[in-house]
Amino acid sequence: DTAVSQTPKYLVTQMGNDKSIKCEQNLGHDTMYWYKQDSKKFLKIMFSYNNKELIINETVPNRFSPKSPDKAHLNLHINSLELGDSAVYFCASSPTGLGNQPQHFGDGTRLSIL
Amino acid sequence: AQTVTQSQPEMSVQEAETVTLSCTYDTSENNYYLFWYKQPPSRQMILVIRQEAYKQQNATENRFSVNFQKAAKSFSLKISDSQLGDTAMYFCAFRTTNAGKSTFGDGTTLTVKP
Repeated sequence: DTAVSQTPKYLVTQMGNDKSIKCEQNLGHDTMYWYKQDSKKFLKIMFSYNNKELIINETVPNRFSPKSPDKAHLNLHINSLELGDSAVYFCASSPTGLGNQPQHFGDGTRLSIL
Repeated sequence: AQTVTQSQPEMSVQEAETVTLSCTYDTSENNYYLFWYKQPPSRQMILVIRQEAYKQQNATENRFSVNFQKAAKSFSLKISDSQLGDTAMYFCAFRTTNAGKSTFGDGTTLTVKP
């Protein structure tokens, strides 16, 4: 059973399109995250939700809109895709937002903008 | 703000030998948590080991151990008896007690040679 699952694994699309990435965790965790890993492998936090509430928003363009319908899901919608959005996007979860708890990561979604 | 520095972009080691990956960080916090994650070519992010800053004893997990020097803000990872399956990118990560998000270093690509 996959603990944190993201769909799709690969996404290839044209500049200017709108796309969504879905994330679900079956661990019963309260906190979920989106990270972006760019072409140089740098990993940066984008958003964090705790029990459906946004708690971290790290200077991400407002073309990116996370949505958490319930605490087991955190989806990422991206409007007007740009070339610089090409990256691997990782979803993660942890029991709570406390720092002593490791994060469980999904397998990532590789987004390629043509 | 916290920063995490991994000064070795790439390293290699012969199978069965020992290798140490370095990580330094900067923070004004007294309580925090440190992690090493492994990212193999499959792209998964896998927790290797974690250390609580309030613990003086270095964490160990089988062939993996850390050398945590709080005063020097250093958190190196030692891999003993290296195996081919250890080939991956390794990320050092920092979390404060309540911040939730992880701050990652830029990663070290480790290649284990047969």
